[in-house]
Amino acid sequence: AQTVTQSQPEMSVQEAETVTLSCTYDTSENNYYLFWYKQPPSRQMILVIRQEAYKQQNATENRFSVNFQKAAKSFSLKISDSQLGDTAMYFCAFHFQGAQKLVFGQGTRLTINP
Amino acid sequence: DSGVTQTPKHLITATGQRVTLRCSPRSGDLSVYWYQQSLDQGLQFLIQYYNGEERAKGNILERFSAQQFPDLHSELNLSSLELGDSALYFCASGGPEETQYFGPGTRLLVL
Repeated sequence: AQTVTQSQPEMSVQEAETVTLSCTYDTSENNYYLFWYKQPPSRQMILVIRQEAYKQQNATENRFSVNFQKAAKSFSLKISDSQLGDTAMYFCAFHFQGAQKLVFGQGTRLTINP
Repeated sequence: DSGVTQTPKHLITATGQRVTLRCSPRSGDLSVYWYQQSLDQGLQFLIQYYNGEERAKGNILERFSAQQFPDLHSELNLSSLELGDSALYFCASGGPEETQYFGPGTRLLVL
């Protein structure tokens, strides 16, 4: 069975700092997708970034980037120049090709302090 | 805005009652996924529909059922409600490359 583990239940940094959220996963599949979703206090689930396992290049979306280590089954999210609006719960999620659902980690609560 | 709509935003009801949650996927998406988010169990997959057909089932109780209509909107029916059914229910629309876009959710409170 596929599992996703986020080992940091909570993190807190100062505004403008860089923060890295960790995620590891377990699978025997070779073709899959990895995602980070953000859930702010409004509880909306917002897609932050996506990574295809067959791509070696790490995905980047503005201030958000990932460090994808396929052999280590690791998928961390780096937020640069953090902003107050980045305060949210962040979920790592996994979807292997042909599967019918996302498998989520338990989330990391990130607080950006002014 | 993800392009996925869910109604109602909030629902308060009593134990034993039945409710219907509604979802419209993004234009062009054929898949709809339902998830439940409760405080102690994170996000749990309930069920998926693709173009009107049930595609996969997750941890969905027998008291719960869903369907997807020809116009691709979907409804999740929850019956004989219990206190433990109080949760945030999300609908997600299946986009390209296995990407799911979530609606704003329906907050259900069972009293």
